[in-house]
Amino acid sequence: GENVEQHPSTLSVQEGDSAVIKCTYSDSASNYFPWYKQELGKGPQLIIDIRSNVGEKKDQRIAVTLNKTAKHFSLHITETQPEDSAVYFCARQSYTGRRALTFGSGTRLQVQP
Amino acid sequence: DSGVTQTPKHLITATGQRVTLRCSPRSGDLSVYWYQQSLDQGLQFLIQYYNGEERAKGNILERFSAQQFPDLHSELNLSSLELGDSALYFCASSPQQGAGGTDTQYFGPGTRLTVL
Repeated sequence: GENVEQHPSTLSVQEGDSAVIKCTYSDSASNYFPWYKQELGKGPQLIIDIRSNVGEKKDQRIAVTLNKTAKHFSLHITETQPEDSAVYFCARQSYTGRRALTFGSGTRLQVQP
Repeated sequence: DSGVTQTPKHLITATGQRVTLRCSPRSGDLSVYWYQQSLDQGLQFLIQYYNGEERAKGNILERFSAQQFPDLHSELNLSSLELGDSALYFCASSPQQGAGGTDTQYFGPGTRLTVL
């Protein structure tokens, strides 16, 4: 199916440490994997995305890795800052059929100063 | 700011009532998606419109309907409201649904619906 499993559900780190969030998917037709950050009272904000023809993508302190064989992808945040505290959602999209995103259940990241 | 606007920001109404949520996509975007976010169900896809036509349906109840107008703004209509319809409703827009391609979606700030 189109389910996405996301772990952990909560993550608490010290400022300056790294944070890793992992997602797994089951649909082999998935070819696009965005990550969204949602702050309290706001809509999901796209922070990074990766397409299936790429294994890794980096944007400053944020990186995403994709393992198509194992059907999992991960978000890596280095040198975390208090403003990184938010809920992070992974998602997937299929290249066949509808383009709607299927979201993971979210990870609440707390960066302790 | 994603460029997607939604109104109203908050909506409080009673069971059995009908409400309309409005979304304006980013300039140039042809696709609009509606999602519902609730505590127990997470972010769930409801329906998609592309250039005025319904393109895909997700977990949308029969009491809910949507449309996209010629100026590409979209409205989500929720009727016979129940307590369980209380949630955040987001719309997202994307440039175009390319054949075999991917659609990067940008989300609006959402409408918080409370049904009393």
